[in-house]
Amino acid sequence: AQSVTQLDSQVPVFEEAPVELRCNYSSSVSVYLFWYVQYPNQGLQLLLKYLSGSTLVKGINGFEAEFNKSQTSFHLRKPSVHISDTAEYFCAVSDRDNYGQNFVFGPGTRLSVLP
Amino acid sequence: DGGITQSPKYLFRKEGQNVTLSCEQNLNHDAMYWYRQDPGQGLRLIYYSQIVNDFQKGDIAEGYSVSREKKESFPLTVTSAQKNPTAFYLCASSPRTALSNQPQHFGDGTRLSIL
Repeated sequence: AQSVTQLDSQVPVFEEAPVELRCNYSSSVSVYLFWYVQYPNQGLQLLLKYLSGSTLVKGINGFEAEFNKSQTSFHLRKPSVHISDTAEYFCAVSDRDNYGQNFVFGPGTRLSVLP
Repeated sequence: DGGITQSPKYLFRKEGQNVTLSCEQNLNHDAMYWYRQDPGQGLRLIYYSQIVNDFQKGDIAEGYSVSREKKESFPLTVTSAQKNPTAFYLCASSPRTALSNQPQHFGDGTRLSIL
């Protein structure tokens, strides 16, 4: 079964500093990868997705992620964070087996941007 | 605008009482999902439905029930058998495609508390 690891449960960073949130998944022939953001007491909002093509994917709010097949990683980056980026971030993987689509979320990383 | 509507936003349950959480979508999506979110534990799948009149148990279905009589609606009932129902409940939907490459779209959640 597919699994997703987000190595850092919490990441504190100062405002305007760069940040990288790490995501690794278990190997599969063909996967689709997503990053979501969740603000307090809200649902999850799609930040970006990798389906195919260029391994560098740009999303909303200045975030980008790079798909690395050999390392089975999909790390999320932002060159300069704002206070408003404080939120929970979830990496997710979708693939397909004999029973249908599997959509698996990582445990989440809480990003805290400090003034 | 299309989206997913969850209601109510806050819900209180007395001991021994069943409560039903509403989830409606106007995105014309075939698949719908219910997740439970506890602090620091990410998302756990309760039930999902790939098509009308069919649904499958997720990882933590005990104490919950669902129905899928209409494409747009996927209500979740938290029964008295669920001994620890206090949590944030998220409903999601997605198109059903052969490639399984579509992201899930989320509602804003319902926070359930025990009186």
